[in-house]
Amino acid sequence: AQKVTQAQTEISVVEKEDVTLDCVYETRDTTYYLFWYKQPPSGELVFLIRRNSFDEQNEISGRYSWNFQKSTSSFNFTITASQVVDSAVYFCALVSGGYNKLIFGAGTRLAVHP
Amino acid sequence: GAVVSQHPSRVICKSGTSVKIECRSLDFQATTMFWYRQFPKQSLMLMATSNEGSKATYEQGVEKDKFLINHASLTLSTLTVTSAHPEDSSFYICSANSGMVNTEAFFGQGTRLTVV
Repeated sequence: AQKVTQAQTEISVVEKEDVTLDCVYETRDTTYYLFWYKQPPSGELVFLIRRNSFDEQNEISGRYSWNFQKSTSSFNFTITASQVVDSAVYFCALVSGGYNKLIFGAGTRLAVHP
Repeated sequence: GAVVSQHPSRVICKSGTSVKIECRSLDFQATTMFWYRQFPKQSLMLMATSNEGSKATYEQGVEKDKFLINHASLTLSTLTVTSAHPEDSSFYICSANSGMVNTEAFFGQGTRLTVV
């Protein structure tokens, strides 16, 4: 079975704090893809990153960084020096088994306060 | 990046009427499109996979006769909520892939449906 778990329902931080959003996934497939999406209050989903199962290199994009560890089946997302504009719901998602169906985690609601 | 356009963004309809939502891939051909539903403060739940030129594949628990999906061309899929009821009020969002396996899904802007 495929499953994505985002244990943190809501996180509240003060601006400039660093924050890590956790994501744990389950799949029996050896080839799979992991994604992070941001959903601001307007509702649309904004693509942040896609990582395949064969690439465990961590990635940094500006204030965003991702830590992919197959040993713990985790794909965590860190925002450094958070800003109010980072306030949104963040979804981790999984695609595996040769299909394009995204399996979403429950999402983590991040609130960044001034 | 590729663009997926969803229309309308908001719709209010009376109970018992039907509502059609369109999902278009603007700059690529989408052999497969997906329809998701999202209740307030909840995650996105896949409703069905829309396949161009063939019948849609529905997830368990989704009523086929209630949520009609048509994928008549490589750039357009439609979701029709038939005989809508207040419990159908939700945020509906579509996504499209270019057809290659495990590629990035591009999402539409979503449609907020309110049935009164």
